[in-house]
Amino acid sequence: ETGVTQTPRHLVMGMTNKKSLKCEQHLGHNAMYWYKQSAKKPLELMFVYNFKEQTENNSVPSRFSPECPNSSHLFLHLHTLQPEDSALYLCASSQTLAGSSTDTQYFGPGTRLTVL
Amino acid sequence: AQKVTQAQTEISVVEKEDVTLDCVYETRDTTYYLFWYKQPPSGELVFLIRRNSFDEQNEISGRYSWNFQKSTSSFNFTITASQVVDSAVYFCALSEAERGSTLGRLYFGRGTQLTVWP
Repeated sequence: ETGVTQTPRHLVMGMTNKKSLKCEQHLGHNAMYWYKQSAKKPLELMFVYNFKEQTENNSVPSRFSPECPNSSHLFLHLHTLQPEDSALYLCASSQTLAGSSTDTQYFGPGTRLTVL
Repeated sequence: AQKVTQAQTEISVVEKEDVTLDCVYETRDTTYYLFWYKQPPSGELVFLIRRNSFDEQNEISGRYSWNFQKSTSSFNFTITASQVVDSAVYFCALSEAERGSTLGRLYFGRGTQLTVWP
């Protein structure tokens, strides 16, 4: 595997279900991100992790719970979602957030989530 | 206020035509980075280019070229001799690099849907 991978690619869940999205990066990066892309809305940054530490939570509802066990893996745990949470969830990684560096973010293929 | 504006929501061209996608940005930082990404129907955002604010030299990569003009805060993207495979949504993004900014945050435009017809 190369680059950034995400599983599953498609997910349909009911509002009472609990599911998790997985992201893995094979680039040796230290920073990872979750984005939400809804129809006709700009890409929304959800969470940022740098060296496994969460550095940003962009006012995301608590029904979304991120987990970063190491610099290569990022999870997004989902529970009691709403239909308006249906979207494409994209994971990205970059070399680092350190200092004034703003390294290029590389994206995975996304998970298309549908909440019924 | 939006930091990145892509005024063209949709563009349609016929194969072999040249097409320019506009991007206008807004920032108070003197050090910043500009990006273009391509999102084909499969969903993945594919990185195309990164340019820092101190390098105004235009860049060409095959059929792609980028025109960075600080005077007008624009970073436009031109595809020469477009092909059907160029059909995608193209996003322009800005990252600010100075103290006080949210390091690493990418501000995306709303994207331009490009359709190239055979």
